[in-house]
Amino acid sequence: DIQMTQSPSSLSASLGDRVTITCRASQDIRNYVAWFQQKPGEAPRSLIYAASTLHNGVPSKFSGSRSGTDFTLTISSLQPEDFATYYCQQYHIYPYTFGQGTKLDIK
Amino acid sequence: QVQLVESGGGVVQPGKSLRLSCVASGFSFSDYPMHWVRQTPGKEMECLSAVSYDGKRQFNVDFLKGRFTISRDNSKNTLYLQIDSLRVEDTAMYYCARGRVVIGTPPRYYIDYWGQGVLVTVSS
Repeated sequence: DIQMTQSPSSLSASLGDRVTITCRASQDIRNYVAWFQQKPGEAPRSLIYAASTLHNGVPSKFSGSRSGTDFTLTISSLQPEDFATYYCQQYHIYPYTFGQGTKLDIK
Repeated sequence: QVQLVESGGGVVQPGKSLRLSCVASGFSFSDYPMHWVRQTPGKEMECLSAVSYDGKRQFNVDFLKGRFTISRDNSKNTLYLQIDSLRVEDTAMYYCARGRVVIGTPPRYYIDYWGQGVLVTVSS
């Protein structure tokens, strides 16, 4: 199975900060990466697919990028509603696999 | 609006079977592939199975050793997951999710909408 190594596992930041979360795939997965946000007690929410395309209704403060097998989620100008856990997922080869998650909390 | 509502979870003894359902509304169910994903108590996310819009193509996970069977009834706008020989380690929140197709060989299905989830607890 393809491994998605996500870092950091946790991250503390202040309101207004810009943060970056990274996932590294264990093999070439082209741009078949999605990013999800999950708040406590809620279902995940889809943010990005194809490494950098935002789903409808997702604010432009979220952005994604790819460099080879490294994928990045960047969140700018953090607001209280952005503090959550974020997951990457590859959907190149089944079983689609997720990163371990990054918990973003307020410093 | 897109809605996915799972049901069928609960507390079940090891070795028993369970069938989860996911009723879809707000979109043309028969046009979309669908997924089952679970989240363990440790918050690990696992894709379990996916099915094409017409049910003819399925993606499954080897480590589940055939215990999990995905199916769909497009006439009822419903996705199912049959889980047999339940184990304690199957305890998790189970989500259904809608897929969007990326045409190719094989086709890929990325997730755009999630249900609220249903909890399955396997315990004696």
